[in-house]
Amino acid sequence: DTGVSQNPRHKITKRGQNVTFRCDPISEHNRLYWYRQTLGQGPEFLTYFQNEAQLEKSRLLSDRFSAERPKGSFSTLEIQRTEQGDSAMYLCASSLGRGQAGELFFGEGSRLTVL
Amino acid sequence: AQKVTQAQTEISVVEKEDVTLDCVYETRDTTYYLFWYKQPPSGELVFLIRRNSFDEQNEISGRYSWNFQKSTSSFNFTITASQVVDSAVYFCALRGRSSGSARQLTFGSGTQLTVLP
Repeated sequence: DTGVSQNPRHKITKRGQNVTFRCDPISEHNRLYWYRQTLGQGPEFLTYFQNEAQLEKSRLLSDRFSAERPKGSFSTLEIQRTEQGDSAMYLCASSLGRGQAGELFFGEGSRLTVL
Repeated sequence: AQKVTQAQTEISVVEKEDVTLDCVYETRDTTYYLFWYKQPPSGELVFLIRRNSFDEQNEISGRYSWNFQKSTSSFNFTITASQVVDSAVYFCALRGRSSGSARQLTFGSGTQLTVLP
């Protein structure tokens, strides 16, 4: 399977714990995105990488959130001191650098449940 | 600011009926792109179509068709002869060139389509 891969698919944690999600994009894609989706809502943009550079961050990305893409390939999204409001599906997507037109290819998401 | 509105939260149809999903958008950009994605129960968003703001031609792909009307800021999606496998949440999304939104897709809240056998 050469699509976007996300791990783990589901994470249950207690409030205050740290969690990390990993995303492996489609290999030739230089752009990588993280989105968050809560129940009954559309995905909301969190952050964007072009190669290893993090070029955009949403206001939704508080200082408890950090994302990296160290070698321009896979990316990690870490949430520190989790809160119940962090419970959501975290979606990763990748695309080729085609300006505004490139469609995003999404993974199946990592569902976070904070107890 | 950009906004996408999908007023239909849930739609239920019987198999073989036609169904139209509405999408209305707001943007100050003169150049922008509109997208439709399908999200089946597995959770993965599947790209269906992209349309740029300069191309108002309607498009048909098999049982799917899209009607883009710039005058009403709408980009509606019709499924002809619906099938049970079409059951999913459908999202309309917008991407513009404005500062701060160049890379972001702004999604609507989605329409849950249920096709009954």
